[in-house]
Amino acid sequence: DADVTQTPRNRITKTGKRIMLECSQTKGHDRMYWYRQDPGLGLRLIYYSFDVKDINKGEISDGYSVSRQAQAKFSLSLESAIPNQTALYFCATSDAGGPKSSYEQYFGPGTRLTVT
Amino acid sequence: LAKTTQPISMDSYEGQEVNITCSHNNIATNDYITWYQQFPSQGPRFIIQGYKTKVTNEVASLFIPADRKSSTLSLPRVSLSDTAVYYCLVGDPIYNQGGKLIFGQGTELSVKP
Repeated sequence: DADVTQTPRNRITKTGKRIMLECSQTKGHDRMYWYRQDPGLGLRLIYYSFDVKDINKGEISDGYSVSRQAQAKFSLSLESAIPNQTALYFCATSDAGGPKSSYEQYFGPGTRLTVT
Repeated sequence: LAKTTQPISMDSYEGQEVNITCSHNNIATNDYITWYQQFPSQGPRFIIQGYKTKVTNEVASLFIPADRKSSTLSLPRVSLSDTAVYYCLVGDPIYNQGGKLIFGQGTELSVKP
């Protein structure tokens, strides 16, 4: 089984609808992240969470919200979807560090979201 | 986080060694250099990380000169399956808000038979 899973894998929704993307991990990591990727661009950070009680905005948080329900679960919500939120969304996890940590991030398979 | 500059694309042939250079002139003392690989419609995958000199693992080598203003990812004897986008990231994984990553545009490597 994959260490980081995302649901749904593909979603088409209409402008104005609320949508939630879910991420689960079995790596036991404290830190989780949400990114979006647009064609020809690198990934941009939306939100990140260092533990269940710690949530921080990334570069492009406007129009998004998140919920960290448990150490293993981190959800991204679009309260009122708009077409320019059409993108590929990735969830990632990393450990909290330590002398031998590389802070490597482990990414999920992505969710392709289309807003019409 | 330090700004990075990489070539947009590179072409190679199977069996060749590929070197992708990344410039990061304003790298800070605590910054590390990390490379990720991304295949189409997949999440990025960690390749290698280093601070100075040379780092080698089972898939790649990372060369960092003494001034650390650039770095080179070296992929030995590439195959068709190495066709992907490669991202260079520079940042402090410990104190810079816990390893928040800023991805640039990356280098699209195309390996031909």
